[in-house]
Amino acid sequence: QKEVEQDPGPLSVPEGAIVSLNCTYSNSAFQYFMWYRQYSRKGPELLMYTYSSGNKEDGRFTAQVDKSSKYISLFIRDSQPSDSATYLCAISDSWGKLQFGAGTQVVVTP
Amino acid sequence: EPEVTQTPSHQVTQMGQEVILRCVPISNHLYFYWYRQILGQKVEFLVSFYNNEISEKSEIFDDQFSVERPDGSNFTLKIRSTKLEDSAMYFCASNAGQGRSGANVLTFGAGSRLTVL
Repeated sequence: QKEVEQDPGPLSVPEGAIVSLNCTYSNSAFQYFMWYRQYSRKGPELLMYTYSSGNKEDGRFTAQVDKSSKYISLFIRDSQPSDSATYLCAISDSWGKLQFGAGTQVVVTP
Repeated sequence: EPEVTQTPSHQVTQMGQEVILRCVPISNHLYFYWYRQILGQKVEFLVSFYNNEISEKSEIFDDQFSVERPDGSNFTLKIRSTKLEDSAMYFCASNAGQGRSGANVLTFGAGSRLTVL
């Protein structure tokens, strides 16, 4: 069983729509949950970071963690064409050793 | 904004050759990492480095790989004898290590693309 599962997409939405992304994980020892954005041929860029269940909001981005279901989500409100990228969930149980999902490619069409 | 710098951006090499990928982490960071991403696959952890020694490594990081911090600013990944399957994007990352809650907030470089022919 894969440690972190993420639908690779692509996910295509019209500008202004809400983008909904999610990952599931298998290891309950994971405590730290992150979402990274990756543009083509670039390094991952941290968007959101949390280490507890519940919601965390930052501008148009909301991260949600449900440890009981081993399920994490990222919502992007009022999506823009510049949000078109691959979004990676990353989960960790120890210092700096991240387990990444496969990444979901998001395309926001004008 | 501080950034992690990697060189070269792209290197092409022949199978069996040695390759060194270089990274300049953010200056006050204490923890350094290498990850790799084979085309179309997940980003994978290779190794973490702290206080001038490896703190953790993955199964991928075999005897062909080594890391070094030769001076106060550079962090290098060496592949001794490259194989075709080493072709990938290699990402360096660093972390300030400010307490356990921030321990996983990694800043990644733009990557070095390695092509082994």
